[in-house]
Amino acid sequence: QSALTQPPSASGSPGQSVTISCTGTSSDVGTYKLVSWYQQHPGKAPKLMIYEVSKRPSGVPDRFSGSKSGNTASLTVSGLQAEDEADYYCTSYAGTNNWVVFGGGTKLTVL
Amino acid sequence: QVQLQESGPGLVKPSETLSLTCSVSGGSTSGYFWSWIRQPPGKGLEWIAYVYDSGFTNYNPSLKSRVTISVDTSNNQFSLRLSSVTAADTAVYFCARIMSGLAAFDIWGQGTMVSVSS
Repeated sequence: QSALTQPPSASGSPGQSVTISCTGTSSDVGTYKLVSWYQQHPGKAPKLMIYEVSKRPSGVPDRFSGSKSGNTASLTVSGLQAEDEADYYCTSYAGTNNWVVFGGGTKLTVL
Repeated sequence: QVQLQESGPGLVKPSETLSLTCSVSGGSTSGYFWSWIRQPPGKGLEWIAYVYDSGFTNYNPSLKSRVTISVDTSNNQFSLRLSSVTAADTAVYFCARIMSGLAAFDIWGQGTMVSVSS
């Protein structure tokens, strides 16, 4: 069982927007502004898409955005494209001992 | 740009020790934290451990008793050892660089599949 809870699946049609949630606790998501999101295509390594809740690394399209409210973080993908179909994982800093915890992942399907 | 490459045996026998190395090219291990993450077949990601160039380490509490991570700055690589392996340790093992102070992995290796079987 993962420390952070994500829906197993999400979907949307090309051009639409979809939001994926990531629910933690006051020991991780609720306290720290160190939430990250990763995109993973089948057979590939994860790719950092969002860090510090809402910041995008260079090269990541601005169609990807992140936010946080209380113990829940969210990733929104706007203007869905076929290449956005992938698994998405959230992480949060969880203090010195646990350091980083992962969500169980969400499979995003572009219909 | 910085690239990471994992190397090590693809098959390990139960109760033995899994050993992997991550080679860093296009940059230096100095000044950064480095980490190992694994992914069992069809499952999610799990953080294993990280090491700083000074040798400072931190481990996932659930694996701490079996894991050792180390860095070799002279050869620009870092390593993972996982002892007393079982079938549950079968996974793709990724090495990654950590963005300083941000608990985020910005550069990943391609991953290496390790199976535990007799």
